[in-house]
Amino acid sequence: GAVVSQHPSWVICKSGTSVKIECRSLDFQATTMFWYRQFPKQSLMLMATSNEGSKATYEQGVEKDKFLINHASLTLSTLTVTSAHPEDSSFYICSARDLSIYNEQFFGPGTRLTVL
Amino acid sequence: GENVEQHPSTLSVQEGDSAVIKCTYSDSASNYFPWYKQELGKGPQLIIDIRSNVGEKKDQRIAVTLNKTAKHFSLHITETQPEDSAVYFCAATYTGNQFYFGTGTSLTVIP
Repeated sequence: GAVVSQHPSWVICKSGTSVKIECRSLDFQATTMFWYRQFPKQSLMLMATSNEGSKATYEQGVEKDKFLINHASLTLSTLTVTSAHPEDSSFYICSARDLSIYNEQFFGPGTRLTVL
Repeated sequence: GENVEQHPSTLSVQEGDSAVIKCTYSDSASNYFPWYKQELGKGPQLIIDIRSNVGEKKDQRIAVTLNKTAKHFSLHITETQPEDSAVYFCAATYTGNQFYFGTGTSLTVIP
């Protein structure tokens, strides 16, 4: 089956620093990747849709200058949290869509970000 | 846009009993309805899905039903086991669009 990986699985950083999270589709080409944020005991909140070779589309209320998304290849998208603050601490999950499998999205294992 | 509601938010069942989780959606254009299981600290895993041209789908102990007229779909887990304990999310979408998730159901199977 389609596999999506994320790296790192967890990260702790100091306030004011930047953190990069990678999302890779391992055995399929993903023209579209999605980035979600999930707070404890809550549902997934879509942050942005990342299309290979073009600018990401951000959801309302998500700062594009703070959450930088790059989708440079069909198998890799990155999310960089710039100037991180404690309120950015969350579980970040990516997913990838394989258009050859109709609508399905395959989720990564998530990255736990803790900002001190 | 689409609005997906999910009930109940928490559900406890005795091992061996059945569990049912229900979702409603608002956009009649939605044509794909997946269900995800999320264990603590992990990403969601697809457990079953159904497309709008089908009314029911079953995979061993898990089944999903879809009522397009009423715009609701349900997840049924039979013969529940402790390892079924997790948070379950429903979602709705149509071709090429983003997924709209329900608010999640925390299922606890009591041994």
